[in-house]
Amino acid sequence: NAGVMQNPRHLVRRRGQEARLRCSPMKGHSHVYWYRQLPEEGLKFMVYLQKENIIDESGMPKERFSAEFPKEGPSILRIQQVVRGDSAAYFCASSQGSDTGELFFGEGSRLTVL
Amino acid sequence: AQSVAQPEDQVNVAEGNPLTVKCTYSVSGNPYLFWYVQYPNRGLQFLLKYITGDNLVKGSYGFEAEFNKSQTSFHLKKPSALVSDSALYFCAAPGGVTGFQKLVFGTGTRLLVSP
Repeated sequence: NAGVMQNPRHLVRRRGQEARLRCSPMKGHSHVYWYRQLPEEGLKFMVYLQKENIIDESGMPKERFSAEFPKEGPSILRIQQVVRGDSAAYFCASSQGSDTGELFFGEGSRLTVL
Repeated sequence: AQSVAQPEDQVNVAEGNPLTVKCTYSVSGNPYLFWYVQYPNRGLQFLLKYITGDNLVKGSYGFEAEFNKSQTSFHLKKPSALVSDSALYFCAAPGGVTGFQKLVFGTGTRLLVSP
């Protein structure tokens, strides 16, 4: 009965380092979404993936950010050369299909850039 | 594409009193609307959704929401608030041209229920 699993829950990086955030969707779910929540703000859509495919990356910054959802293994959100403005909570969600709007969220990965 | 707005940053209510958390929407076409709740240091949880049909939608934990087309609103309600309802509440709508895969969330309303 595992839900959406995200790790690490907390990550501290210095400016210029790389951050890798992992997300394992709920069992049976093949749709993964990444959202970013800045302090005191709502959630902002970043990217929507299905297995091995990026379906919608319209919310992803054009540089330094990338996401993948390989055939085997978790989805990865990668942030290269982090800056302080990347400090945020990154939430992954999954769904069984794309036609319900009911997303199941993980508990988030909180990135702090020093 | 649709968008939502939550006009209140915070709502305070005493335990046992009714609560309302407001949401208004802007759509081109049929509105699809959702409410999610976020407890401290947790991910969002789905509460309820309006797709079509009855204007009063019932959801989890005793919450319900009323769809009002003339006022373009989808307010979240509960007849009797509990202290454990204190959380951050988000209204959402699909942000893409088709499908629900790209939910756009409001800025959130913090609900504080006092004992």
